[in-house]
Amino acid sequence: DGGITQSPKYLFRKEGQNVTLSCEQNLNHDAMYWYRQDPGQGLRLIYYSQIVNDFQKGDIAEGYSVSREKKESFPLTVTSAQKNPTAFYLCASSILPLPSYQPQHFGDGTRLSIL
Amino acid sequence: GQQVMQIPQYQHVQEGEDFTTYCNSSTTLSNIQWYKQRPGGHPVFLIQLVKSGEVKKQKRLTFQFGEAKKNSSLHITATQTTDVGTYFCAGMGSGYALNFGKGTSLLVTP
Repeated sequence: DGGITQSPKYLFRKEGQNVTLSCEQNLNHDAMYWYRQDPGQGLRLIYYSQIVNDFQKGDIAEGYSVSREKKESFPLTVTSAQKNPTAFYLCASSILPLPSYQPQHFGDGTRLSIL
Repeated sequence: GQQVMQIPQYQHVQEGEDFTTYCNSSTTLSNIQWYKQRPGGHPVFLIQLVKSGEVKKQKRLTFQFGEAKKNSSLHITATQTTDVGTYFCAGMGSGYALNFGKGTSLLVTP
């Protein structure tokens, strides 16, 4: 079955530590996205990518980094510079939003907590 | 990106009652999408509206896009416990990404 796989499901980070969240898709989608969700909040965009080796900052990119070395993969690193990383992280993908926006398909998410 | 505001934030209904959530923007939306997120789950795409005044139905769900393309609504007729979850609207955001509203959480009591 085609879909998006996020791992791990739960992740714990120590102070000062970088952690990487995995996102893999086999939908052959060109565009991929990372969102952060806090309780009672909507989804806030961290980074997004349209093609391999290219990505753009979203609304809350500070303290995060990404890479897009393969079409299928879009890992997110939460760096020690992110002072409040506890949240639910969602990865999504879509076909290119041309000529209009396309539905986004989401993974099951990774819940990150600080030890 | 275009900011979208959703109201209400929470809604608690008895099973069988109707439910409506509203999405508003201060600027014209090129289109709008609706998603549903079940408790503990991930958002799932429901529908996209593109045309001014557009109305689309999915069984008991009715989606509307305002004539001015600045607002949208989702109406559920005769709610069921399976309707529980958070409903999000999303408009154009940064670049080609979406900008999600904060969502309306629906609780349905049997």
